[in-house]
Formats: sequence, C-alpha cells, structure tokens
Amino acid sequence: AQSVTQPDIHITVSEGASLELRCNYSYGATPYLFWYVQSPGQGLQLLLKYFSGDTLVQGIKGFEAEFKRSQSSFNLRKPSVHWSDAAEYFCAVEGNFGNEKLTFGTGTRLTIIP
Amino acid sequence: EAGVAQSPRYKIIEKRQSVAFWCNPISGHATLYWYQQILGQGPKLLIQFQNNGVVDDSQLPKDRFSAERLKGVDSTLKIQPAKLEDSAVYLCASASTDTQYFGPGTRLTVL
Repeated sequence: AQSVTQPDIHITVSEGASLELRCNYSYGATPYLFWYVQSPGQGLQLLLKYFSGDTLVQGIKGFEAEFKRSQSSFNLRKPSVHWSDAAEYFCAVEGNFGNEKLTFGTGTRLTIIP
Repeated sequence: EAGVAQSPRYKIIEKRQSVAFWCNPISGHATLYWYQQILGQGPKLLIQFQNNGVVDDSQLPKDRFSAERLKGVDSTLKIQPAKLEDSAVYLCASASTDTQYFGPGTRLTVL
C-alpha cells in the first residue's frame, strides 16, 4: 500500500521569501501525485498534480512541484509567498493501477510573518 | 461550474445521538467519496461510490456508519450512535477522471 510522509509539521516563512514543502512517498511504481491546500474552515483545493511526463509541474497561485523518482519526492515550491498563502498543505498519492485510494500525508501548516 | 456542496457546515451533538451529512457532487461526476479528517491529520477515506454502487468501504466503521447514494447523484453519510472519537471534519469529494474535488466539509463535534 502506498504512503506519504510530510516531514515538516509546521513551517514559518516571511512574506516575500521562498518556500519549499517536502513530500516523500512510498509506492512500487510511479504513482499519481497531488498537492492540496486547506484554508481554515475550508475544504481542500487542488494546487497541482503529476501523472506523467514533465517532472516539473506548474499549479495555481504560483506554486510548482518537482517529481524526483530517485528520491521518491514531490516537493512543493513557491518563489515568493504572500500572506494569503498561510494554510495547511497536504501531499497525496494515488496508485495508478486502477481504483486505488488517494492517501494523504499528515499535512504541513504554513505560517507567514510580515 | 458549481463545486461540491455539503451541509450542514457545522454540527454539535451529544454522544449516542445520530447525525446525517449531505453531499451534492459536481454535476456529471460519477465517483463520490466520503473522508474523515481528524484534527491534525490528513483526510482518511471512508467510502467510495461509483454511480450508486459502493466501490470501497473497507475503512467505514459499519457498526455505526452508513452511507448511500441514491440515483447516483446526492449522497448521505449517517452516524448512529455517535462516539466522542467521531469528532472530525467530514469531507465529500467527487471525481470524473483522476482528480478529486472537495467540498467545504462538515465539522462534527460530539460532546
């Protein structure tokens, strides 16, 4: 069964600074990979996804993620964060052999300081 | 395009009471999911429907949780009787292909 690890429970960055959120997965092949964001009291919004092809994926709100097969990683990046980026970020993995579950990490809470 | 709708947004009940949540997926989405998200954790799948049939309910505590999706559109999730550990956000998601879209969730507090 697949699993996801988000090693950082909480990250604090200054507004305008760059951001990288880490995500490592465990799966026997190349899975489908997702990043979702959850603002307080809200559901999850899809930021970006990787199915195949170009390993650098562009998403909404200026986010990007890079799939690295050798490191089993799918880290999320943003060159300059805005105060509105403060939220909880979830990495998720789904097997691609048909009808497999979407498995989420435990999330990383992002705090932005002025 | 309208998103996934859920109601109510918040619910507070006493333990041993029953509660029901409603979900209306994105129009045309055949697949519907219910997730439980306990505070500080990622969402955990409870049940997956394909049209009105159950695909996966392996993590649904069937002694107290039930779900149905009549006519392959709206779905309800019921808990009867509720326990303290059921306090969580219950998220509904729908998908047409490989991407799930989530509703705002129902925050349940069991006292």
